[in-house]
Amino acid sequence: DAMVIQNPRYQVTQFGKPVTLSCSQTLNHNVMYWYQQKSSQAPKLLFHYYDKDFNNEADTPDNFQSRRPNTSFCFLDIRSPGLGDAAMYLCATSMDRGPYGYTFGSGTRLTVV
Amino acid sequence: DQQVKQNSPSLSVQEGRISILNCDYTNSMFDYFLWYKKYPAEGPTFLISISSIKDKNEDGRFTVFLNKSAKHLSLHIVPSQPGDSAVYFCAASPTSGTYKYIFGTGTRLKVLA
Repeated sequence: DAMVIQNPRYQVTQFGKPVTLSCSQTLNHNVMYWYQQKSSQAPKLLFHYYDKDFNNEADTPDNFQSRRPNTSFCFLDIRSPGLGDAAMYLCATSMDRGPYGYTFGSGTRLTVV
Repeated sequence: DQQVKQNSPSLSVQEGRISILNCDYTNSMFDYFLWYKKYPAEGPTFLISISSIKDKNEDGRFTVFLNKSAKHLSLHIVPSQPGDSAVYFCAASPTSGTYKYIFGTGTRLKVLA
């Protein structure tokens, strides 16, 4: 089945230690998104790639970076995680820019200790 | 500043009755809306959408109503089933630009058998 896969499902990292979250898709979708969702809050868009074109949200901290080496994979790098970065990170894809729904992965729950 | 609001964090409904989930938005540029359903430990899954050129869209037991003048949409589930118990997110986007969806905080629906 075509899908969006996020690895790992659960990630524990130390305060200040760089961490990378992974997302892969078999849908061949052009657009990939990273959302951060904290408890009882709305998912918040961090950035997205339209093909290789990177689009950062204005309020995304510099601590967060992303890479998309090819159509299938997208990575979220947190350079120096703080306690406030503990959250669920959701990867989503859409076929293209336009009125298309997103296909989400199952998310990675990040804990910072 | 929450542009998409779901003011009811939770809702309980008896099996077989109607569930009505509400969503309000503040940005008049939003003209495409989605509803997502999320089970625990899974990513959100697309449920139904509506464009601002319509005021109603129906898919089986699910109907979404849009009141543009009130900047309000609602999701009706009839009849409600225990398997509908999940968190429901509404999301909104302008149809110009990059179609970035802004999500609400979600409503947890519990359908009682």
